[in-house]
Amino acid sequence: DAGVIQSPRHEVTEMGQEVTLRCKPISGHNSLFWYRQTMMRGLELLIYFNNNVPIDDSGMPEDRFSAKMPNASFSTLKIQPSEPRDSAVYFCASRPGQGMTEKLFFGSGTQLSVL
Amino acid sequence: DQQVKQNSPSLSVQEGRISILNCDYTNSMFDYFLWYKKYPAEGPTFLISISSIKDKNEDGRFTVFLNKSAKHLSLHIVPSQPGDSAVYFCAASEGYSGGGADGLTFGKGTHLIIQP
Repeated sequence: DAGVIQSPRHEVTEMGQEVTLRCKPISGHNSLFWYRQTMMRGLELLIYFNNNVPIDDSGMPEDRFSAKMPNASFSTLKIQPSEPRDSAVYFCASRPGQGMTEKLFFGSGTQLSVL
Repeated sequence: DQQVKQNSPSLSVQEGRISILNCDYTNSMFDYFLWYKKYPAEGPTFLISISSIKDKNEDGRFTVFLNKSAKHLSLHIVPSQPGDSAVYFCAASEGYSGGGADGLTFGKGTHLIIQP
C-alpha cells in the first residue's frame, strides 16, 4: 500500500495567487482529514469528509479556503487568494471508517510558502 | 484556546534512560487519547492509544498512562533509543463512546532528543 499521497511536496507562491493542494487517500478508507501545522498553533483540523461528504469545516480559517472530495480517491484543498500567513505544512490523513478507535494515516505533507 | 496542551516544546534524554512526555487536556468530553510520532519531512505516524476506561496501556518500550481526574496523560519510553528522536504529538477525541465531534485535537508537540 502506497499510503496517503500528497502533492506537491513543496509549493512556493506569491501573495494573491491561487494554491491547490492535492491528496489521494489510502484505498478503501472512508474518512479524509485536512490538517495544518504551524509553530504557533501546532496541528489544526481544517475539515474532514466521511464517504466524500464534508462533515465539519469549522476549522477552515476563512472563505479563502475551500476543500472538495469529488470521489473516494481524491481531495483538494484550495486557497484563493493566498496570503503570507497561510504559510504552513498542510497534511492530509485518511481513516478506514468512522469509528474513533481507528487511527489516522497521514501523508508526508505539503510545505506551503506564500511570499 | 488549546484543549490539548503539551507544555514542554523540547526534551533531551540520554540514551538508555526513560523519556517521559506529558500532555494535559481541558475538555472533559475527551475519552480517547493517542500519541503520534513525527520525523522531519514526514507525516505523523500512530504510536499508541488509550481509552478513558483504562489508566494504562503498554506496547513494547512504550507505555501511556491516563489520569482522568487530573486530565493528564503521559508517554513513557524505556529504554530510550536514538531512533526515538522525533516530535511527539498528543491527540484526543470525544467520539469513543459514539457521540461527540469527529476528528482529533492535537497538542503542539514535544521535540524529543535522545543523546548518545
